[in-house]
Amino acid sequence: DAGITQSPRYKITETGRQVTLMCHQTWSHSYMFWYRQDLGHGLRLIYYSAAADITDKGEVPDGYVVSRSKTENFPLTLESATRSQTSVYFCASSEYWEQYFGPGTRLTVT
Amino acid sequence: GDSVTQMEGPVTLSEEAFLTINCTYTATGYPSLFWYVQYPGEGLQLLLKATKADDKGSNKGFEATYRKETTSFHLEKGSVQVSDSAVYFCALSDRGTSYGKLTFGQGTILTVHP
Repeated sequence: DAGITQSPRYKITETGRQVTLMCHQTWSHSYMFWYRQDLGHGLRLIYYSAAADITDKGEVPDGYVVSRSKTENFPLTLESATRSQTSVYFCASSEYWEQYFGPGTRLTVT
Repeated sequence: GDSVTQMEGPVTLSEEAFLTINCTYTATGYPSLFWYVQYPGEGLQLLLKATKADDKGSNKGFEATYRKETTSFHLEKGSVQVSDSAVYFCALSDRGTSYGKLTFGQGTILTVHP
């Protein structure tokens, strides 16, 4: 199906573990984004990418790593998960100034 | 830097009531303004937008007018339905960047009772 998908939708992991959240879009949009959503903070930008192999930090990048080897995929990795990274993570893509969001991944770090 | 402030929630209304959710912003340039809606268990969807001063965005009975003089973009609906229960986010886009960096407000939870 066309659109933007995220996997897994739900994930529970332990402190210190590495976890990767996947994001895939079928529109061939140039830009992709990762946000985290926390109560009282709205959405905060973690990382974004302007094209394959081009990534840059957002507002809250510490503890996260991204890569973009293909235009359609933009995985987010937590190298050593911490409880403060418990959140809902949204991926988005855009070509101009309108962003399209995926359904989100709810991550719990125990 | 840019910022967006939304009215505190949650907001609870009866069906057919009038809705206003206040949103004010600070920005250095001339941003575009957006309202996004998030239904339970889903991602954000664009509800409406306005790209310049005095523009009115509208969709599904919701309206918001870009007021540069008061730096506001309040969301209104004349008669809400139970199906409007969701979280509403005001956001601005920095058109100084090539991709329109989005800055979000904290979100307002709306619950509509029958």
